[in-house]
Amino acid sequence: AQSVTQLGSHVSVSEGALVLLRCNYSSSVPPYLFWYVQYPNQGLQLLLKYTSAATLVKGINGFEAEFKKSETSFHLTKPSAHMSDAAEYFCAAALPSNYKLTFGKGTLLTVNP
Amino acid sequence: ETGVTQSPTHLIKTRGQQVTLRCSSQSGHNTVSWYQQALGQGPQFIFQYYREEENGRGNFPPRFSGLQFPNYSSELNVNALELDDSALYLCASSLAGGARMNTEAFFGQGTRLTVV
Repeated sequence: AQSVTQLGSHVSVSEGALVLLRCNYSSSVPPYLFWYVQYPNQGLQLLLKYTSAATLVKGINGFEAEFKKSETSFHLTKPSAHMSDAAEYFCAAALPSNYKLTFGKGTLLTVNP
Repeated sequence: ETGVTQSPTHLIKTRGQQVTLRCSSQSGHNTVSWYQQALGQGPQFIFQYYREEENGRGNFPPRFSGLQFPNYSSELNVNALELDDSALYLCASSLAGGARMNTEAFFGQGTRLTVV
């Protein structure tokens, strides 16, 4: 069984500030890990994924995440927030064999001018 | 290359009715997964279809059922609708080969179902 916990349902940053969205996972076997972004009234767009290769993963729009097995974490970061980053972000885990995603509850990112 | 498309985009149904939601998978993909996203929550896995067979199911009652067609498009059927079924229903397609999934899942825009 897997579970994903996102710490902080709402994160607010100023434009140009560091973005840090936290994700911890629990899994009986090493999972694949993902970050998705969802804009209002839209589906999910993949930002980046970890599939047991490099532990530092770079994604689209300047986002990156680091897989830390010892901390069971996969936090999402971006050095400088942009207004267009305002959205809901979901961390998800899947077993490599079946791609059935288990999602966290999401973190709403607000970017202030 | 076409993306994942879902229809309809919005739907209002009365409690007790039945509903069918449709999903066209991305070209070349053979696997479709359905998720329910209640307001303010993360998506929850309903079930997955691989080559027209159900390939795993989440914690949803039997009144949630599905089909996958030879062209890999899919339907989600919900019988005896309840108020708590109101949610955004997301379809995701991916490509499976052998024992492993070898692409990420691409999501459609979703169908917003309201049960009154």
